[in-house]
Amino acid sequence: GAVVSQHPSWVICKSGTSVKIECRSLDFQATTMFWYRQFPKQSLMLMATSNEGSKATYEQGVEKDKFLINHASLTLSTLTVTSAHPEDSSFYICSAVPGTLSYEQYFGPGTRLTVT
Amino acid sequence: AQSVTQLGSHVSVSEGALVLLRCNYSSSVPPYLFWYVQYPNQGLQLLLKYTSAATLVKGINGFEAEFKKSETSFHLTKPSAHMSDAAEYFCAVSPQGAQKLVFGQGTRLTINP
Repeated sequence: GAVVSQHPSWVICKSGTSVKIECRSLDFQATTMFWYRQFPKQSLMLMATSNEGSKATYEQGVEKDKFLINHASLTLSTLTVTSAHPEDSSFYICSAVPGTLSYEQYFGPGTRLTVT
Repeated sequence: AQSVTQLGSHVSVSEGALVLLRCNYSSSVPPYLFWYVQYPNQGLQLLLKYTSAATLVKGINGFEAEFKKSETSFHLTKPSAHMSDAAEYFCAVSPQGAQKLVFGQGTRLTINP
């Protein structure tokens, strides 16, 4: 149980275009999902907290207009990288928390974004 | 603010040897603590967690960790390393009852045959 999927697993896009990444909790409902960014050989950096039915909470230094997060249902959150630049190339990982009382995060397999 | 420090960005041990990955946290109150493993190009898998119950926590794949409040540490150990243990390991902390995680820098574990 507690499986989180991400789609796509990897994507290549051209500079200036937008790309959407989906995060789904497959067998549980997730009121809260998190989006992380990971550079090669580095740790995970929390980008934002996504709450179903409300606006995402972004960490300091993360551009909310560039990284659009939508948590439209209890099983789906999306991250859209708008007007992508090569420096946005990274590994993006989401996680989901079952219910509202749980503290344990279940992680997706990640999406590798390459902007050319 | 809470923080996590993992001592040693790279640890190398021989197959069959003891694995010790160090993690120290900074928090005014004992937090929840986690160890995750990440294989190349994959997400994170939970190895074990401390949530203010038993201080010695056993996890999957033969790993365990001991919470030591006096040392603000939560080191990860495994008695005998396997080749399949080669991966990146992350220690993470969250305030009790909170959902947000703060990750350490990670430790890459290499197993020598």
